[in-house]
Formats: sequence, structure tokens, C-alpha cells
Amino acid sequence: AQSVSQHNHHVILSEAASLELGCNYSYGGTVNLFWYVQYPGQHLQLLLKYFSGDPLVKGIKGFEAEFIKSKFSFNLRKPSVQWSDTAEYFCAVSVSGGYNKLIFGAGTRLAVHP
Amino acid sequence: SAVISQKPSRDICQRGTSLTIQCQVDSQVTMMFWYRQQPGQSLTLIATANQGSEATYESGFVIDKFPISRPNLTFSTLTVSNMSPEDSSIYLCSVKPGLLNTEAFFGQGTRLTVV
Repeated sequence: AQSVSQHNHHVILSEAASLELGCNYSYGGTVNLFWYVQYPGQHLQLLLKYFSGDPLVKGIKGFEAEFIKSKFSFNLRKPSVQWSDTAEYFCAVSVSGGYNKLIFGAGTRLAVHP
Repeated sequence: SAVISQKPSRDICQRGTSLTIQCQVDSQVTMMFWYRQQPGQSLTLIATANQGSEATYESGFVIDKFPISRPNLTFSTLTVSNMSPEDSSIYLCSVKPGLLNTEAFFGQGTRLTVV
């Protein structure tokens, strides 16, 4: 069965600091990878996704993620965080093709201090 | 994209009762999913709901506890039956509108508290 591991449960940063959130998955086949964000009091929103092609994907709000197949990883990065990035971030994976379900990681709660 | 409306947005229920959560989508979608997000935890898939067939439940979830209806391509309901305080969670509806390899969209969720 597929699973997703997020290494950091809570991250506290100051504004302008760089961010990297780790995500590893377990599945031997082709996968689709996602990062979702949940701002306080809001619904889940897609930050970025990887289906195929360039392993470095860019998403909204200056976020990017790199798919490293050999490491089964899809880490999320942002060079300079803002207070408004305070949110919970979820990595998710689905088996490629069809309507396959999303499996979520445990989430990382990010707090950015001014 | 897809816009999802869930009702109710929140509720406080007595143990032993049942609550039905509605999910309405603004476009026809084949696959709808129901997730649970327990306090401080990630999303766990309860079941996948296809129109015209029985829902497919994940390990640990059963139809008697979480019956699901999917009468058409834009609507689904999830019932949480015979509730206990352990059922206190956020319940989310999700859809994947596209045929292949598309993103999932989520409703705002229903925050359920069982007392």
C-alpha cells in the first residue's frame, strides 16, 4: 500500500527565511504528487502538482517542489517565506492513471513570525 | 476546476444520533471522495463514491457506520451513524473532475462535534 511521510510536524520560521518541507512516499510504480495548503479557517488548496516531465515544478505563491525519483521524495521549497504563508501543508500521492485516490501525509504546520 | 458546497458547515450532535452531510458540485464529476480529518491529524480517506454503484470503503470504515449515497453526478451524501465522541472530526468531500491524472478539489468541510 502507498504511504506518505512528512518529516516535519511543526516548523517555525521568521519572515524572509528559506523553507524546505520534506516528503517521502512509498510506492514502486508511477505516481502523481501534490502539495496542498490549508490556511487557517479555509479549505484545502492545491499548491503544485507533478504528473510527468520536468521534475522541478513551480506552484503558486513562489513555491516549488522537486521530484527525485531515486529518493522517492517530493520536497517543497520557498526561498523567502512571508507571514501569510502560515498554514498547514500536506503532501499527497496518487497512483498514476485513472481516478485513483489521494493518500495524504500527516501534514506540517508552519508558523511564520514577522 | 470544481466548486464544492458542503452542508452543514458545522454541527454539534448528541451521541447515538446520526448526521447526514451533503456535498454539491457545480459540474458533473465521476468520482467523489469522502475524507475525515481528526483533530490535529491528516486526511484519511473514508470511501470513494461512484454514481450508480456501491461506494468503495477503505480499511477501517464500514457502510453501516458511514452510509453513502450518490444519486447523480453532482451530489453525494455521507451519513455518520450512531455517533460517539470519537467521531468528532472534520468531514471533507472531494472530487476529481477530469478523466486522468487531474488534481482533486475539496469542499470547506463539515466540522462535527459529538457530545
